[in-house]
Amino acid sequence: DAGVTQSPTHLIKTRGQHVTLRCSPISGHKSVSWYQQVLGQGPQFIFQYYEKEERGRGNFPDRFSARQFPNYSSELNVNALLLGDSALYLCASGGLNQPQHFGDGTRLSIL
Amino acid sequence: AQSVTQPDIHITVSEGASLELRCNYSYGATPYLFWYVQSPGQGLQLLLKYFSGDTLVQGIKGFEAEFKRSQSSFNLRKPSVHWSDAAEYFCAVGRGHNAGNMLTFGGGTRLMVKP
Repeated sequence: DAGVTQSPTHLIKTRGQHVTLRCSPISGHKSVSWYQQVLGQGPQFIFQYYEKEERGRGNFPDRFSARQFPNYSSELNVNALLLGDSALYLCASGGLNQPQHFGDGTRLSIL
Repeated sequence: AQSVTQPDIHITVSEGASLELRCNYSYGATPYLFWYVQSPGQGLQLLLKYFSGDTLVQGIKGFEAEFKRSQSSFNLRKPSVHWSDAAEYFCAVGRGHNAGNMLTFGGGTRLMVKP
C-alpha cells in the first residue's frame, strides 16, 4: 500500500513569495496533520484536519493556512515567505485517535 | 501546555551495546506517548506508542519503552544496538481526545553507532 505522499520533495522560493505544499494520505485515513521541522529541531505542529474540518492549530501566524479536500488530501499554504520559514514540512495521516504515519516531507528553502 | 524534553542531544554507543534514550514529559492529564525515528532526509517512522495499560511497551526493531508516571518519563531502550539504528530519535506526547494527533515533540537525540 502507498504511504503518505508529499509533493514537491524540494522547493526553493524567495522572500515574500507564496507556496503551496500538497499531501495525499494513506488510503482510508481521514485525518491529515502538518508539521514544520527546522534543521536541528523536533517537528512543530501546525494544523490538523479531520473530515475536512480544522481540528487543531499550532502557534503559527496567519500566513499559514491549510485545507482538506473531499478525497482527504490536503494543502498547506504559506504567504509572504520569510527566511525563517525554511524547513522540512511534514504531513502525517491517521485515524482520529490513532498514531500518525508521516510522509518524507517537502524541503522548503527561502532565499 | 504540554512539553517534552530529551536531555541528550547526541549519544554514541558501540554496536552490540545496550541503549537507553531519555524522555521526560509535562502534561496535565494521562499522556499518550510515542517514540519516532528519523533517518537523514526522511520522514518519521513510529517505533512504539503508549496509550494505556501495561507500562512496558514493545515496538518494532527490538525497541521497548517504559512509562513511569511518578518520574514523568518514557525512556526508550534496546538491549543490543545495530549499526542500522544510527538515526535521530524523537519522543512525543499527544493531546487529549486527539490522542495520536497534534503531537508535541522533544528536540531529538541523535544516535551514533561505533563499529
